[in-house]
Amino acid sequence: NAGVTQTPKFQVLKTGQSMTLQCAQDMNHEYMSWYRQDPGMGLRLIHYSVGAGITDQGEVPNGYNVSRSTTEDFPLRLLSAAPSQTSVYFCASSFSGTYGYTFGSGTRLTVV
Amino acid sequence: SQQGEEDPQALSIQEGENATMNCSYKTSINNLQWYRQNSGRGLVHLILIRSNEREKHSGRLRVTLDTSKKSSSLLITASRAADTASYFCATETMYSGGGADGLTFGKGTHLIIQP
Repeated sequence: NAGVTQTPKFQVLKTGQSMTLQCAQDMNHEYMSWYRQDPGMGLRLIHYSVGAGITDQGEVPNGYNVSRSTTEDFPLRLLSAAPSQTSVYFCASSFSGTYGYTFGSGTRLTVV
Repeated sequence: SQQGEEDPQALSIQEGENATMNCSYKTSINNLQWYRQNSGRGLVHLILIRSNEREKHSGRLRVTLDTSKKSSSLLITASRAADTASYFCATETMYSGGGADGLTFGKGTHLIIQP
């Protein structure tokens, strides 16, 4: 099993550009979520999903969109990149709320 | 806002000693989880304790949960240099109709094990 795969690992964007961070899992997990990690801030929840076709906002959703058309994939879209979105982004999945989450290795995004 | 707050923010001990980290949270939860993050890497799930449990063990890890005080502690016994990492607590709240609202993390404790 590959677990949770995030692509790309690194990305540099110019202010105003859009892009999609990819996240795929092969464990048939229903729960998937996106987090950003900034220095000294821990991880903050952006968006989450409890199954295909179901998404909801987390703590810091502004500037990001998600969709969940399949169980396996949960892409995160940056609509118009801003320097404040410079961060490390992590995708995670879980079988259900009573199990721990498996995290991807992260995408380091820099917006200039 | 951050749900959990770890204490201390940083901890340096000698190899072989025990390391204790504490976590406090604000709202009612269904479970509390601890994760480890090595520098520049993803998070690794260590242990999950449900709200109706008071203590849980996994290898050299011992977790306690006090829901009346909204606090948890993680004890790592007989520490090793490889335990050097950041440790995060995270809480999860379940909806009554099923589903969950993702994890809410604290800011973490940076643990350094001196050889």
